Amino acid sequence: GEDVEQSLFLSVREGDSSVINCTYTDSSSTYLYWYKQEPGAGLQLLTYIFSNMDMKQDQRLTVLLNKKDKHLSLRIADTQTGDSAIYFCAERAGGTSYGKLTFGQGTILTVHP
Amino acid sequence: ETGVTQTPRHLVMGMTNKKSLKCEQHLGHNAMYWYKQSAKKPLELMFVYSLEERVENNSVPSRFSPECPNSSHLFLHLHTLQPEDSALYLCASSQGKQLYTGANVLTFGAGSRLTVL
Repeated sequence: GEDVEQSLFLSVREGDSSVINCTYTDSSSTYLYWYKQEPGAGLQLLTYIFSNMDMKQDQRLTVLLNKKDKHLSLRIADTQTGDSAIYFCAERAGGTSYGKLTFGQGTILTVHP
Repeated sequence: ETGVTQTPRHLVMGMTNKKSLKCEQHLGHNAMYWYKQSAKKPLELMFVYSLEERVENNSVPSRFSPECPNSSHLFLHLHTLQPEDSALYLCASSQGKQLYTGANVLTFGAGSRLTVL
């Protein structure tokens, strides 16, 4: 079955770059996603990447996909205290009959002033 | 209102109570989902509805009963729950045509925090 893993914690200083990593097992994944969850809120889509791409950039966010190693990363440039949140990696498997998403446990990003 | 709205935001219930969680979306989507978020565990998909038809029932105990009366509303009826069912229950929606192809981006509500005593 599908499995998505992330490290649980990341702590960075304000102004530095943050890199959140994710690995997945399903080689038939079609789309991979990054969601952000702030305290008391639901998940908010940050960005997603199609599996035939290896990079996507959107303002301060850069997504890198290494399909061979089944590794996805999210880089946040110039990290701010407002970026402190839980970040979830998710994949959409290609073999399911509908768009089922499998999520990782989430990485808690803490940004120190 | 816009987006996905969930009520109540917080619910405390005893194991013998019957209660319901409500989700409403104003995005014109026609696929809706229930997820369970427990501490230190990945999000668990519970149910998926497409055009009011259930397409996924992910081995969820029968004490959880979903209802989708139309494409804008989704309910989760709760009956004789256990303390381990305490969690954040998230509703999400997506465009139905992307349920089977495309990126199928989910929009989530803020969740209903359930505590079972």
